[in-house]
This record gives sequence, structure tokens and C-alpha cells, in this order.
Amino acid sequence: GENVEQHPSTLSVQEGDSAVIKCTYSDSASNYFPWYKQELGKRPQLIIDIRSNVGEKKDQRIAVTLNKTAKHFSLHITETQPEDSAVYFCAAVFGNEKLTFGTGTRLTIIP
Amino acid sequence: DGGITQSPKYLFRKEGQNVTLSCEQNLNHDAMYWYRQDPGQGLRLIYYSQIVNDFQKGDIAEGYSVSREKKESFPLTVTSAQKNPTAFYLCASSPQVNQPQHFGDGTRLSIL
Repeated sequence: GENVEQHPSTLSVQEGDSAVIKCTYSDSASNYFPWYKQELGKRPQLIIDIRSNVGEKKDQRIAVTLNKTAKHFSLHITETQPEDSAVYFCAAVFGNEKLTFGTGTRLTIIP
Repeated sequence: DGGITQSPKYLFRKEGQNVTLSCEQNLNHDAMYWYRQDPGQGLRLIYYSQIVNDFQKGDIAEGYSVSREKKESFPLTVTSAQKNPTAFYLCASSPQVNQPQHFGDGTRLSIL
């Protein structure tokens, strides 16, 4: 079935260090993988996305890597700052229509 | 994202009552979506619509209904058949399916 698994569920990182969140998906036909950041009580906001014809994409301190063979993709945040503290969700499109979300990772940056 | 407006921000439902959550977008997006988020959980898809006058069930459609009479509007009705409606409801839109989705600020629904 359509499934996205996300790990870890919580992550604490010292300010300035890197954070990595990993997701696996079940449908080899999935071709679009966005990442969302959600601060407490607020809307999810798209921070980066990647399509299946690309292996890696970077935007300043944020990068996403995709391994289609292994069906997993990862979010990398470098030089973490306190404002990076939030819940991060990965997602994958199934059947070219439906976006299925992972269960989220609560990232805490320790000053 | 000012392009998607959800109302009200907070809503209370009595037993046996239907309530309707509003979602309006001025982004000229074809696709719209409704998600439910429970505390500490991810987002689960209730219904989605790819185009006006068409919509499909998501993963948890039971107890909910939608309509898409206008491109800009995709209201969600939480019916009395939904026995556990307390949650945070998020509406989203995208130019088309398989493209980045933009979310509204959400409606928090509680039971009286």
C-alpha cells in the first residue's frame, strides 16, 4: 500500500551542528518528494522538494537527497540555528495524485 | 500564505450536529485538498479535488463530505457520522496535482 516512513520521530541537535531526517516510501512509481516545516500551531510550509529525475537539491543550508533504487530520501540541515526548531514532514506522491505524509520529526536545536 | 483562507479559526460542534469548514483560495489553483492533523501526528488526506465539480476520497473520508462548485472554494462538512471529529483541519491547494501544495492557517474543531 501507500506508505511513507519517517525517522527519527524526535531529534535534538546542538546549535551549529547538522541534522538529518530520513524517509522511505513504498511505491517505486513515486516521482515527487516535498519536505514541509511546521511550527507549533501554524501551517506547514514547503521548504524544499525534489523530483525523481534528480539525485540531490540544495537551497542554502537545506539539502535533500533521493535514492530511487533504495526508495528513500533525506533532509539535511547544516549549521543549525534555533529558528530551525519545528516539526518536519516528508511526503511522497502516489498514483500521480495523492500526497502521503510521514509522521513527522520534532527537531529541537539546543543553544 | 495569504492566498488560502480558512475560516473559522476555532469551531465547536455539538453532538449530532453537522458543521462546515470554509476554504477559499485566490491563487487560481486547480487542485485543492483537505487534511486532518491529530496531536503529534502527521497529515491524513480526507478529500481532494483536481478540478471544479470533481473530487475524490482520500484515506479517511468516512464522516466527511465536500463540494467543489467554484474553483476558488472547497468547503468541508464534518457530519454527525464522524464520531471523533476533534482535530486540526488543514486546507491546501496546488496549481495541479503533483505540484507544491500551499496550506491555509487551519481550523481547530472541538466537541462541546
